[in-house]
Amino acid sequence: EVQLLESGGGLVQPGGSLRLSCASSGFIFSAYAMTWVRQAPGKGLDWVSSLSASGDTSNYADSVKGRFTISRDNSKNTLYLQISGLRAEDTAVYYCAKDRSSGGSCHNFWGQGTLVIVSS
Amino acid sequence: DIQMTQSPSSMSASVGDRVTITCRASQGISNFLAWYQQKPGKAPKLLIYAASTLQSGVPSRFSGSGSGTDFTLTISSLQPEDVATYYCQKYNNAPQTFGQGTRLEIK
Repeated sequence: EVQLLESGGGLVQPGGSLRLSCASSGFIFSAYAMTWVRQAPGKGLDWVSSLSASGDTSNYADSVKGRFTISRDNSKNTLYLQISGLRAEDTAVYYCAKDRSSGGSCHNFWGQGTLVIVSS
Repeated sequence: DIQMTQSPSSMSASVGDRVTITCRASQGISNFLAWYQQKPGKAPKLLIYAASTLQSGVPSRFSGSGSGTDFTLTISSLQPEDVATYYCQKYNNAPQTFGQGTRLEIK
């Protein structure tokens, strides 16, 4: 059974930083691209970043480019999102999702999300 | 960047009704289109990928069609458990933009 468990969210001041983690199990982690998607309270889904299976190709939404960094440790079956320069508009539930292929694709399994609140 | 526009933004229908949600891309995306269902307080769930392929385990009353710029999600006979918000997503390249969502309620 595929399981994705996000952690690392919390309350952070504007300009602050956090590292989100997504521990994965139930599939060959190193064979699939992974993605972060966020959802602000009461709003729709917002694609944030994707990383190829090997970790050599990453993509970011313009709204987070230069502030967020996606990475993975295939030996630990874990996906990360380093987020810095946080703004109020980054407040959201951050979901980790498994892609259907090793490169860019849609997302066939999702975690339950971790909440990031940016507030002073 | 390609924009994804869903219609309607919200709708209500009766149990047993046929429901259709549309998604339009501002440029052609071939069939790189997915549909997701999100129930309140839950993570999204993949329903359909490649515009018309049903994800394993999804009831057959859900179907998808379209190619290029115009796509539809159809529920052939609405059930109470289908109350949710539905999103389309393009995934031919980055950014993998979502539509704004369609909230579906029961009359």
